[in-house]
Amino acid sequence: QPVLTQPTSLSASPGASARLTCTLRSGINVETYKIYWYQQKPGSLPRYLLKYKSDSDNQQGSGVPSRFSGSKDASTNAGLLLISGLQSEDEADYYCSTWYSSTWVFGGGTKLTVL
Amino acid sequence: EVNLVEAGGGLVQPGGSLRLSCSASGFTFSTYWMAWVRQAPGKGLEWVANIKQDGSDKNYVDSVKGRFTISRDNARNSLFLQMNSLRADDTAVYHCARDVGGNLDLWGQGTLVIVSS
Repeated sequence: QPVLTQPTSLSASPGASARLTCTLRSGINVETYKIYWYQQKPGSLPRYLLKYKSDSDNQQGSGVPSRFSGSKDASTNAGLLLISGLQSEDEADYYCSTWYSSTWVFGGGTKLTVL
Repeated sequence: EVNLVEAGGGLVQPGGSLRLSCSASGFTFSTYWMAWVRQAPGKGLEWVANIKQDGSDKNYVDSVKGRFTISRDNARNSLFLQMNSLRADDTAVYHCARDVGGNLDLWGQGTLVIVSS
């Protein structure tokens, strides 16, 4: 079972909010990890969005709109990327990442479609 | 201008070797961890390795341990990835990236490695 699991795809409407999940493998407690999020648009390089461990330990990437925010859902052991006021330009692949067992691990990515 | 430029990719037979390089400019290379991240065609991101500022600490994904070696030359602002015993599943675009505590904030355009007979 992968360390980080992301749903393959998600669709949402313009102006709505999107909730992207990054579920940690059973036995790995999300509360103790910083979760990093990246956005990759087709044909472009990944862009760092933010990292989130807690409300008091988080960082927004340079130039990243406040519409993007991080959170956690302890009940499902998941890191969350929340995007409000969806715009067509938010259509992209989103990857979560964390430092685990002396390596950086990426989730498989979620393709967000805005339609 | 802050920039990373990779080179050294190409077509190689299974079992062969390649040495990738990454030239950094526009920032103080020696003060940053650096990383290699790969992306197979149409697939997701996979972190490969990283290296501390002075080269004293290196980490690798399990799938490349014993086959790949990351190194750097701070005098030449360069990062390297020596890849041996290449396999078909190593086929990917290899990006170097500046690593700020997990925040990969600067990426090169990448160099394509194809492992095929």
